[in-house]
Amino acid sequence: QSALTQPASVSGSPGQSITISCTGTSSDVGLYNYVSWYQQHPGKAPKLMIYDVSNRPSGVSDRFSGSKSGNTASLTISGLQAEDEADYYCSSYTSSITLVVFGGGTKLTVL
Amino acid sequence: EVQLVESGGGLVQPGRSLRLSCTVSGFIFGDYAMSWFRQAPGKGLEWVGFIRSKPYGGTTEYAASVKGRFTISREDSKSIVYLYMNSLKIEDTAVYYCTRDLMQEEGTSDYWGQGTLVTVSS
Repeated sequence: QSALTQPASVSGSPGQSITISCTGTSSDVGLYNYVSWYQQHPGKAPKLMIYDVSNRPSGVSDRFSGSKSGNTASLTISGLQAEDEADYYCSSYTSSITLVVFGGGTKLTVL
Repeated sequence: EVQLVESGGGLVQPGRSLRLSCTVSGFIFGDYAMSWFRQAPGKGLEWVGFIRSKPYGGTTEYAASVKGRFTISREDSKSIVYLYMNSLKIEDTAVYYCTRDLMQEEGTSDYWGQGTLVTVSS
Protein backbone atom coordinates (compact mmCIF):
# COMPACT_ATOMS: atom_id res chain seq x y z
CA GLN A 1 0.00 0.00 0.00
CA SER A 2 1.40 3.36 -1.07
CA ALA A 3 1.94 6.18 1.41
CA LEU A 4 0.16 8.69 -0.84
CA THR A 5 -3.26 7.99 -2.32
CA GLN A 6 -3.99 8.58 -6.00
CA PRO A 7 -6.93 7.44 -8.11
CA ALA A 8 -6.03 4.35 -10.09
CA SER A 9 -7.25 5.84 -13.34
CA VAL A 10 -8.65 8.97 -14.92
CA SER A 11 -9.71 9.69 -18.47
CA GLY A 12 -10.60 12.60 -20.67
CA SER A 13 -11.14 13.56 -24.27
CA PRO A 14 -8.68 15.60 -26.32
CA GLY A 15 -8.91 19.26 -25.45
CA GLN A 16 -10.50 18.64 -22.06
CA SER A 17 -8.92 19.18 -18.64
CA ILE A 18 -8.37 16.56 -15.97
CA THR A 19 -7.16 16.70 -12.40
CA ILE A 20 -5.33 13.97 -10.50
CA SER A 21 -5.37 14.12 -6.73
CA CYS A 22 -2.68 12.96 -4.33
CA THR A 23 -3.65 12.66 -0.68
CA GLY A 24 -1.10 12.32 2.08
CA THR A 25 -0.86 13.32 5.71
CA SER A 26 0.39 16.11 7.91
CA SER A 27 3.79 14.37 7.91
CA ASP A 28 4.35 14.65 4.18
CA VAL A 29 2.14 16.59 1.75
CA GLY A 30 0.70 18.74 4.50
CA LEU A 31 4.06 19.52 6.06
CA TYR A 32 6.34 20.22 3.11
CA ASN A 33 6.01 22.10 -0.16
CA TYR A 34 8.16 19.40 -1.75
CA VAL A 35 5.50 17.66 -3.83
CA SER A 36 6.54 16.46 -7.26
CA TRP A 37 4.72 14.89 -10.18
CA TYR A 38 6.25 12.47 -12.67
CA GLN A 39 4.99 11.24 -16.02
CA GLN A 40 5.93 7.75 -17.15
CA HIS A 41 5.21 6.26 -20.53
CA PRO A 42 5.32 2.44 -20.86
CA GLY A 43 8.84 1.10 -20.81
CA LYS A 44 10.35 4.54 -20.23
CA ALA A 45 11.96 6.32 -17.31
CA PRO A 46 9.85 8.80 -15.34
CA LYS A 47 9.95 12.45 -16.35
CA LEU A 48 9.64 15.31 -13.87
CA MET A 49 6.60 17.45 -14.70
CA ILE A 50 6.03 19.52 -11.53
CA TYR A 51 8.22 20.18 -8.49
CA ASP A 52 7.76 22.11 -5.26
CA VAL A 53 3.97 21.78 -5.63
CA SER A 54 3.53 24.08 -8.61
CA ASN A 55 6.81 24.72 -10.44
CA ARG A 56 7.43 23.46 -13.96
CA PRO A 57 10.91 22.42 -15.10
CA SER A 58 12.17 24.04 -18.25
CA GLY A 59 10.66 22.40 -21.31
CA VAL A 60 7.48 21.14 -19.66
CA SER A 61 4.32 22.43 -21.27
CA ASP A 62 2.32 25.07 -19.39
CA ARG A 63 -0.70 22.80 -19.87
CA PHE A 64 0.58 21.06 -16.74
CA SER A 65 -0.02 22.76 -13.41
CA GLY A 66 0.13 21.77 -9.76
CA SER A 67 -1.45 22.93 -6.53
CA LYS A 68 -1.89 21.91 -2.91
CA SER A 69 -4.49 22.34 -0.23
CA GLY A 70 -3.86 20.88 3.18
CA ASN A 71 -2.84 17.25 2.84
CA THR A 72 -3.90 16.95 -0.80
CA ALA A 73 -1.91 17.92 -3.87
CA SER A 74 -3.31 18.04 -7.38
CA LEU A 75 -2.01 17.86 -10.92
CA THR A 76 -4.12 19.47 -13.63
CA ILE A 77 -3.58 18.86 -17.31
CA SER A 78 -5.45 21.21 -19.60
CA GLY A 79 -6.00 20.84 -23.33
CA LEU A 80 -5.47 17.08 -23.20
CA GLN A 81 -3.42 15.62 -26.01
CA ALA A 82 -2.90 12.04 -27.10
CA GLU A 83 0.72 12.10 -25.96
CA ASP A 84 -0.40 12.89 -22.39
CA GLU A 85 -1.62 9.31 -22.06
CA ALA A 86 0.72 7.84 -19.45
CA ASP A 87 1.07 6.93 -15.80
CA TYR A 88 1.42 9.82 -13.36
CA TYR A 89 3.03 9.56 -9.94
CA CYS A 90 3.08 12.08 -7.13
CA SER A 91 5.82 12.12 -4.53
CA SER A 92 6.48 14.06 -1.37
CA TYR A 93 9.29 14.60 1.09
CA THR A 94 8.34 13.29 4.52
CA SER A 95 9.36 13.52 8.15
CA SER A 96 9.64 9.74 8.45
CA ILE A 97 12.73 7.52 8.08
CA THR A 98 11.76 6.90 4.46
CA LEU A 99 12.29 10.47 3.34
CA VAL A 100 10.50 10.30 0.00
CA VAL A 101 7.16 8.61 -0.56
CA PHE A 102 5.09 8.03 -3.68
CA GLY A 103 1.52 7.59 -4.66
CA GLY A 104 0.51 4.36 -6.33
CA GLY A 105 0.23 6.03 -9.71
CA THR A 106 -2.67 7.11 -11.90
CA LYS A 107 -3.19 5.82 -15.42
CA LEU A 108 -4.40 8.62 -17.67
CA THR A 109 -6.35 7.54 -20.72
CA VAL A 110 -7.03 10.03 -23.50
CA LEU A 111 -10.24 8.86 -25.13
CA GLU B 1 23.31 17.09 -22.57
CA VAL B 2 22.71 15.46 -19.20
CA GLN B 3 23.06 11.69 -19.35
CA LEU B 4 22.87 9.01 -16.67
CA VAL B 5 23.68 5.42 -17.59
CA GLU B 6 23.13 2.58 -15.14
CA SER B 7 24.86 -0.76 -15.37
CA GLY B 8 25.40 -3.89 -13.34
CA GLY B 9 21.91 -5.33 -13.25
CA GLY B 10 21.17 -8.98 -13.83
CA LEU B 11 20.01 -12.22 -12.26
CA VAL B 12 21.18 -12.91 -8.71
CA GLN B 13 20.26 -15.48 -6.10
CA PRO B 14 18.55 -14.54 -2.84
CA GLY B 15 21.04 -13.64 -0.14
CA ARG B 16 23.75 -12.65 -2.61
CA SER B 17 25.15 -9.21 -3.40
CA LEU B 18 25.21 -6.96 -6.44
CA ARG B 19 26.72 -3.59 -7.29
CA LEU B 20 25.04 -1.14 -9.62
CA SER B 21 26.92 1.74 -11.20
CA CYS B 22 25.65 4.97 -12.69
CA THR B 23 27.96 6.98 -14.90
CA VAL B 24 26.89 10.53 -15.55
CA SER B 25 27.87 13.30 -17.94
CA GLY B 26 26.71 16.72 -19.00
CA PHE B 27 26.85 18.45 -15.61
CA ILE B 28 29.20 19.04 -12.69
CA PHE B 29 28.64 15.79 -10.83
CA GLY B 30 30.17 16.98 -7.57
CA ASP B 31 27.61 19.76 -7.19
CA TYR B 32 24.60 17.46 -6.98
CA ALA B 33 23.02 14.96 -4.66
CA MET B 34 22.21 11.70 -6.42
CA SER B 35 19.41 9.25 -5.75
CA TRP B 36 18.38 5.71 -6.55
CA PHE B 37 14.78 4.66 -7.14
CA ARG B 38 13.29 1.33 -8.10
CA GLN B 39 10.16 -0.02 -9.73
CA ALA B 40 9.07 -3.62 -9.32
CA PRO B 41 7.51 -5.19 -12.44
CA GLY B 42 4.06 -3.73 -12.99
CA LYS B 43 4.28 -1.68 -9.79
CA GLY B 44 4.84 1.92 -8.79
CA LEU B 45 7.94 3.91 -7.99
CA GLU B 46 9.86 3.53 -4.73
CA TRP B 47 12.63 5.73 -3.38
CA VAL B 48 15.70 3.70 -2.37
CA GLY B 49 18.04 6.38 -1.05
CA PHE B 50 20.29 9.31 -1.83
CA ILE B 51 23.78 10.60 -1.29
CA ARG B 52 24.44 14.26 -0.68
CA SER B 53 27.15 16.14 -2.51
CA LYS B 54 30.49 16.52 -0.74
CA PRO B 55 29.86 20.21 0.21
CA TYR B 56 26.80 18.92 2.08
CA GLY B 57 28.77 16.17 3.78
CA GLY B 58 28.45 13.39 1.21
CA THR B 59 26.22 11.54 3.66
CA THR B 60 23.46 9.10 2.80
CA GLU B 61 19.85 8.38 3.63
CA TYR B 62 17.90 5.20 2.90
CA ALA B 63 14.38 3.90 2.75
CA ALA B 64 13.38 1.71 5.67
CA SER B 65 12.97 -1.25 3.31
CA VAL B 66 16.68 -1.28 2.36
CA LYS B 67 18.39 0.37 5.33
CA GLY B 68 21.21 -1.81 6.59
CA ARG B 69 21.36 -3.85 3.37
CA PHE B 70 22.00 -1.23 0.67
CA THR B 71 24.81 1.33 0.52
CA ILE B 72 25.19 4.28 -1.81
CA SER B 73 28.59 5.79 -2.54
CA ARG B 74 30.03 8.22 -5.04
CA GLU B 75 33.30 8.73 -6.86
CA ASP B 76 33.31 12.36 -7.92
CA SER B 77 36.58 12.06 -9.87
CA LYS B 78 34.89 9.58 -12.21
CA SER B 79 31.33 10.99 -12.07
CA ILE B 80 29.97 7.66 -10.87
CA VAL B 81 27.48 6.81 -8.17
CA TYR B 82 27.16 3.25 -6.88
CA LEU B 83 24.45 1.20 -5.24
CA TYR B 84 25.75 -1.76 -3.28
CA MET B 85 23.01 -4.26 -2.55
CA ASN B 86 23.61 -6.98 0.03
CA SER B 87 21.40 -9.77 1.40
CA LEU B 88 19.15 -9.46 -1.62
CA LYS B 89 15.57 -10.62 -1.31
CA ILE B 90 13.09 -11.69 -3.97
CA GLU B 91 11.14 -8.51 -3.29
CA ASP B 92 14.16 -6.45 -4.37
CA THR B 93 13.44 -7.49 -7.96
CA ALA B 94 12.92 -4.25 -9.86
CA VAL B 95 14.21 -1.82 -12.42
CA TYR B 96 16.66 0.43 -10.60
CA TYR B 97 16.95 4.05 -11.69
CA CYS B 98 19.77 6.45 -10.95
CA THR B 99 18.73 10.10 -10.77
CA ARG B 100 20.10 13.60 -10.28
CA ASP B 101 18.50 15.51 -7.45
CA LEU B 102 17.11 18.91 -8.33
CA MET B 103 18.16 20.25 -4.95
CA GLN B 104 19.65 18.85 -1.78
CA GLU B 105 17.23 17.44 0.82
CA GLU B 106 14.10 17.69 -1.26
CA GLY B 107 13.63 14.30 -2.84
CA THR B 108 12.96 15.62 -6.33
CA SER B 109 14.86 14.23 -9.30
CA ASP B 110 15.08 16.16 -12.53
CA TYR B 111 17.06 13.67 -14.62
CA TRP B 112 16.68 9.89 -14.70
CA GLY B 113 18.71 7.12 -16.25
CA GLN B 114 17.12 4.47 -18.42
CA GLY B 115 17.17 1.94 -15.57
CA THR B 116 18.76 -1.45 -15.07
CA LEU B 117 16.81 -4.59 -14.21
CA VAL B 118 17.74 -6.59 -11.13
CA THR B 119 16.09 -9.99 -10.81
CA VAL B 120 16.47 -11.85 -7.52
CA SER B 121 15.57 -15.49 -7.98
CA SER B 122 16.88 -18.94 -7.20
